[in-house]
Amino acid sequence: ETAVFQTPNYHVTQVGNEVSFNCKQTLGHDTMYWYKQDSKKLLKIMFSYNNKQLIVNETVPRRFSPQSSDKAHLNLRIKSVEPEDSAVYLCASSAGGALDTQYFGPGTRLLVL
Amino acid sequence: GDSVTQTEGLVTLTEGLPVMLNCTYQSTYSPFLFWYVQHLNEAPKLLLKSFTDNKRPEHQGFHATLHKSSSSFHLQKSSAQLSDSALYYCALSGNYNVLYFGSGTKLTVEP
Repeated sequence: ETAVFQTPNYHVTQVGNEVSFNCKQTLGHDTMYWYKQDSKKLLKIMFSYNNKQLIVNETVPRRFSPQSSDKAHLNLRIKSVEPEDSAVYLCASSAGGALDTQYFGPGTRLLVL
Repeated sequence: GDSVTQTEGLVTLTEGLPVMLNCTYQSTYSPFLFWYVQHLNEAPKLLLKSFTDNKRPEHQGFHATLHKSSSSFHLQKSSAQLSDSALYYCALSGNYNVLYFGSGTKLTVEP
């Protein structure tokens, strides 16, 4: 099966803790993305990676740090979570061109208490 | 910078009536435009995208026409179905080909 996979599905934590999310794509794409979907369903780009290299960082707080071991994997670590980090984090991948479809994973829902 | 505006947050229709969801954009160049649909508890997925020529993209009965003169890419369907109930996002492809999304329109189709 070719798709975008994310783990965990859901994570509950407390303010100040560190969390990590994983994303893997089996579509053979070179480009992967992290998007944040907040409680109002606003969907916003956070990071873009092309073949393990960071391409785009959309003024995301420094407590967020993405990491890519190879072009099929893109992880996201949040060092010290804050209440406003509660959201769904969506991973996506594409071939990287302007007109290429982005394929989204099911998302990781983070709840910060 | 690049931005997309969707003026309707909520649209409620009766099954069989036509659908029109508005999308306008601002960009310093001529971007590509997309419509993504997200059903409840699912991932967003592509519905349709603008072509480089003047063709009108269509998918599952939905179509949209890119009007550069008015910076618009409205989504239309002639007859709404119950299964069309979902969250619809208009987006443009910006720098380094990331997507900039509008605020989304929740479409509810009632019997």
